[in-house]
This record gives sequence, structure tokens and C-alpha cells, in this order.
Amino acid sequence: NAGVTQTPKFQVLKTGQSMTLQCAQDMNHNSMYWYRQDPGMGLRLIYYSASEGTTDKGEVPNGYNVSRLNKREFSLRLESAAPSQTSVYFCASVQGLLQETQYFGPGTRLLVL
Amino acid sequence: RKEVEQDPGPFNVPEGATVAFNCTYSNSASQSFFWYRQDCRKEPKLLMSVYSSGNEDGRFTAQLNRASQYISLLIRDSKLSDSATYLCVVNMGWRDDKIIFGKGTRLHILP
Repeated sequence: NAGVTQTPKFQVLKTGQSMTLQCAQDMNHNSMYWYRQDPGMGLRLIYYSASEGTTDKGEVPNGYNVSRLNKREFSLRLESAAPSQTSVYFCASVQGLLQETQYFGPGTRLLVL
Repeated sequence: RKEVEQDPGPFNVPEGATVAFNCTYSNSASQSFFWYRQDCRKEPKLLMSVYSSGNEDGRFTAQLNRASQYISLLIRDSKLSDSATYLCVVNMGWRDDKIIFGKGTRLHILP
């Protein structure tokens, strides 16, 4: 099992460009999450999906959209990138029982110029 | 009071020493608690869950104090490979968006 995979690993964008970050998990987990991690800020939840077909906003959703394409895949889209979105983005998944462990992907490092 | 608070460190500790971190949380109704480890430029990975009665995994011991609303992590006989950032994670409710991460405590083990 690959666990949680993310693409791309690195990306440089210009202000105003759009892009989609891809995330997939092969553990048959119900819940998936997108976080961003900035120095001194810790991990902050952008969006999450408790099950296929549902998505909800987290702490910092502005400037982002998500799609839960199927049970395996959860994508994060930046429609018009801004320098403030420079960050490391992590996708995570969990079976859905709230007591259980989150498994993280390796992260996407995004630089917006 | 912030939802989950940790001392950012860094803690610089000689190899073989014992080191302890605390993490405080604001919501007394919090349901579950975890310690994650994050290496530089890597993703967080579960170190251990924290149970009400306390639990131990080798050199690592986790404790929960509900009355004072904090959890702790004790590392005995520290190794160079223990150098990392340790994240406190608290699930504050029965919703997926209530899993709150602390900002982490950096630990450097010195040879």
C-alpha cells in the first residue's frame, strides 16, 4: 500500500495562476483533509471531507476549493494564487472513527511569486 | 486561552538524558489526544495516542491530566534520532474539523 500520495511535490506559481493539488489514499478511508503548514503557525485545516460526496470548510478556506472525486481522491484547487498561499500543503486521511490516527501524505511545497 | 498550546522550544538535551514536554488544551470536553512527530521537511506521523490511564511505548510515556487540561510526553534515554518536532493533537469534539494541532515543540538531542 502506498498510503497517502500527493502530487506535485513542488510547485512555483505566479500570482493569479491556478493549479490543483492532487491527493489519493489507498486505505479505504472515509475522511480526508487538506492542511497548510506555515512557520510558527502549525497545521491549519483548509477543508475536509467526512465521506465521499461531502466537503466542509475548515479554519482557513478562503482562496481554495476542493473536490472529493471519489472515495480515494480529494483535490485542492487554487483558482487565483496569491503570495499568502505560499506554504506546505498536507493531505491526510482517517478511517472516520474520530479516535483513530490521521495518516499524512508527504506534502506539496508551493511558492507563489 | 489558545485551543492547544505547546512550548515551541527548542529543547537542547544531551544524549541519554530524559526530557518532558507538556501541552495544554482549552476545551474540557476534548475527546482524544495524540502525540505526533514531524521530522524536518517531512509529514507528521503518529508517535502515540494518549489514554486516560497513561501509556508507555518503550522509552516514551504519555500522560493525560483532565483536571488541569494538559497532556505530557516523557522521553527517557534520549537518542540522536529523537531530534524532531513533537506535535500535540487534540480532538475537541465529535466533528472532523475539531482535530486541533499544536504548533509543536522542537527537540534537539546533542551528542
